[in-house]
Amino acid sequence: QKEVEQDPGPLSVPEGAIVSLNCTYSNSAFQYFMWYRQYSRKGPELLMYTYSSGNKEDGRFTAQVDKSSKYISLFIRDSQPSDSATYLCAMVDTGRRALTFGSGTRLQVQP
Amino acid sequence: NAGVTQTPKFQVLKTGQSMTLQCAQDMNHNSMYWYRQDPGMGLRLIYYSASEGTTDKGEVPNGYNVSRLNKREFSLRLESAAPSQTSVYFCASSILGRETDTQYFGPGTRLTVL
Repeated sequence: QKEVEQDPGPLSVPEGAIVSLNCTYSNSAFQYFMWYRQYSRKGPELLMYTYSSGNKEDGRFTAQVDKSSKYISLFIRDSQPSDSATYLCAMVDTGRRALTFGSGTRLQVQP
Repeated sequence: NAGVTQTPKFQVLKTGQSMTLQCAQDMNHNSMYWYRQDPGMGLRLIYYSASEGTTDKGEVPNGYNVSRLNKREFSLRLESAAPSQTSVYFCASSILGRETDTQYFGPGTRLTVL
């Protein structure tokens, strides 16, 4: 069983929709949670990170962490075609000093 | 300021051939990483270098070797390529290698082993 599970999609939504992307994890030692965005044929880039349960907002993006349920989410409001990409969740077990990635969800925002 | 650069962008090898993937960063970062990305598997850490002169194994180190040539450069070598090493390889760097430090990724090298 993978430590981090993420639905691969693709998830197709119309422009302006609210998008919800999710990951579940099994390792209670994960302390830091991140979302990376990866455009086609490019390297991942950090979108947001948080290290506590609750919500963190940055513009149209909101990251949510529920440590009791081992569940994290990324919400995108007013989605744009330029948001079309693969979104990867990543987590850090401080004992390992390395990122553990989900497999990524491919998002397509239709104009 | 180019960030993290990788060469080559694409490579096709035959089974048993060797090659070295090159990575360089111009951000004066201390820590550097090599990942591979396979469909349905996400990114998996192959090796990392916390600082110049040190290297450590990651999750999937078998079949690979690394060299931290200097603070800027971190290379990944495949001594005898196998079809299972067909993947997209990403190099990344971070300023101090702490858990909360952002990792900056290069554009990747697409490797096919026949």
